Amino acid sequence: LAKTTQPISMDSYEGQEVNITCSHNNIATNDYITWYQQFPSQGPRFIIQGYKTKVTNEVASLFIPADRKSSTLSLPRVSLSDTAVYYCLVGENTDKLIFGTGTRLQVFP
Amino acid sequence: EPEVTQTPSHQVTQMGQEVILRCVPISNHLYFYWYRQILGQKVEFLVSFYNNEISEKSEIFDDQFSVERPDGSNFTLKIRSTKLEDSAMYFCASSTRLAGGAGYEQYFGPGTRLTVT
Repeated sequence: LAKTTQPISMDSYEGQEVNITCSHNNIATNDYITWYQQFPSQGPRFIIQGYKTKVTNEVASLFIPADRKSSTLSLPRVSLSDTAVYYCLVGENTDKLIFGTGTRLQVFP
Repeated sequence: EPEVTQTPSHQVTQMGQEVILRCVPISNHLYFYWYRQILGQKVEFLVSFYNNEISEKSEIFDDQFSVERPDGSNFTLKIRSTKLEDSAMYFCASSTRLAGGAGYEQYFGPGTRLTVT
């Protein structure tokens, strides 16, 4: 499983776009990049997954450069309810999710 | 939207007692998981279960732990003799397919907070 590095914490204000970057220098050819969100005292929730280039859904966008050694989760116009921990996971052919410490996003009014 | 449910939401038990944590995965899912999160720490994988058998387990999942799918809807985690260090939030998750490749989407339940005194 590829090791991931992401900022420990980020602050933002309501209405701003937030970009959280994850480094995964030793990503393997078959690895996918997946982001989960976790609110306090709740289980993690799948946000988005991608392999290369850009993926967008109703919640977020995921940007993956050509070398795939990093990825950026983009949250447009955050609100207070986006305050959570965001996890970047990279891997393939495994039955388990390996969570790191994630990025704690705090959104202020 | 279908969701994973877990009962109880909070369980308090004394050290050495047996506990059973219950989960109802999403109905058409075939892969089931247990994770735990000690307060303030990472979410940790415990075990995965498919086709009525364990497919993978972590070092945490020792002989004190067992899982079972007693019927077509429930998935349980049993801790035979609880220790203080078993105090944590336990999350059940389910998926339509194996994690990995394009199948990383697991759906988590709200968790059971286990407190061992």
